[in-house]
Amino acid sequence: AQTVTQSQPEMSVQEAETVTLSCTYDTSESNYYLFWYKQPPSRQMILVIRQEAYKQQNATENRFSVNFQKAAKSFSLKISDSQLGDTAMYFCAFTERNTGNQFYFGTGTSLTVIP
Amino acid sequence: DSGVTQTPKHLITATGQRVTLRCSPRSGDLSVYWYQQSLDQGLQFLIQYYNGEERAKGNILERFSAQQFPDLHSELNLSSLELGDSALYFCASSVVEAWDRRKTYGYTFGSGTRLTVV
Repeated sequence: AQTVTQSQPEMSVQEAETVTLSCTYDTSESNYYLFWYKQPPSRQMILVIRQEAYKQQNATENRFSVNFQKAAKSFSLKISDSQLGDTAMYFCAFTERNTGNQFYFGTGTSLTVIP
Repeated sequence: DSGVTQTPKHLITATGQRVTLRCSPRSGDLSVYWYQQSLDQGLQFLIQYYNGEERAKGNILERFSAQQFPDLHSELNLSSLELGDSALYFCASSVVEAWDRRKTYGYTFGSGTRLTVV
């Protein structure tokens, strides 16, 4: 079964510092996508970054980058120069060919940026 | 504004009642997905429609049903409501029907409907 595990329910970081959120997943497929979504207090789910499994290069989007370790089935999110607006729940998500376009989500990590 | 519109934003109802949640997908998107987010949990996939037809089913209860109309908006019907059905219900849309390596860019989510059953 496809699973996504986020082992850090809560994290905090000082403003302007760097923080890394962890995610592991389980699949027997070689073709899949991984995502990080952000859910601020407004509840809106916002796509932060996406990684294609067949690409070796780690994805980056401004202050957000991932460390994709395919063999280890690990997909961590690094937030650099943390800002107060980064305070949110962060969900790791996964979709693979055999599941159509259904996404599997982790239980989330609540990140608080401290001024 | 993500382009996916969900109404209502909040809904409070009593046990045993029936409610309908509505979703309008982003312009150009043919797939609509419904997810349930309960307290302290991630999002659980309920059901997917593509261009009016059901495409995939997840952990959707028999008391729940959905449909997608010709104008592509979708409705999620929840009946015989129980306290445990209280949750945030998200609708999301995408352009693709199914897995497409070239096009799986991720969903666009609506802002959700907060359902409280009392």
